[in-house]
Amino acid sequence: QVQLVQSGAEVKKPGASVKVSCKTSGYTFTDSYVHWVRQAPGQGLEWVGRINPNGGGTNYAQKFQGRVTLSRDTFMRTVYMEVRSDDTAVYYCARGLPGGFDPWGQGTLVTVSS
Amino acid sequence: QSLLTQPPSVSAAPGQKVTISCSGTSSNIGSNHVSWYQQFPGTAPKLLIYENNKRPSGIPDRFSGSKSGTSATLGITGLQTGDEADYYCGAWDNSLINGMFGGGTKLTVL
Repeated sequence: QVQLVQSGAEVKKPGASVKVSCKTSGYTFTDSYVHWVRQAPGQGLEWVGRINPNGGGTNYAQKFQGRVTLSRDTFMRTVYMEVRSDDTAVYYCARGLPGGFDPWGQGTLVTVSS
Repeated sequence: QSLLTQPPSVSAAPGQKVTISCSGTSSNIGSNHVSWYQQFPGTAPKLLIYENNKRPSGIPDRFSGSKSGTSATLGITGLQTGDEADYYCGAWDNSLINGMFGGGTKLTVL
């Protein structure tokens, strides 16, 4: 079945960068965009950006321009999100389908603490 | 932060029906498909409805979606206590070249 498995939780100091991975399986990697979504504690879902594994083209939400970089390793079927994080949040990756995101990764908690 | 507009909370009794609205603009809901997600505390969101009104395999037909113009609605019938969760709508925005979500609606089954 289709699965997206993310890397484990991270603790970072304010202003430091963290790289989160999202390993995919069960479908043709280059057929679907992979999206990233952020959720701060007690808050709603916030779209961060997306990457087209076929070619590597990216789009970012304006809020995250310059703070987030998406990349992919086609051989490893893995997408990466590097983010300079100033606040604690859970980051999810999700496969993009026409009209929805499915499935989602389990989420990666990035804790920012000095 | 750009958001689609949802009510913060809705509630209804077990067995009853509830609807959750999602309002957007011509560049998002008015031009693209709407999806709905269910999220329980501490877990990843789960796709409930895609392409406005289609249910993925395994989603009961108690869940339904509709869209009209720049608004969409999620309907849940035969409410169960296990339906208590946060529900989010989502759509693509052609102007921002951006994904968007609603602020989320907390469903309470009284």
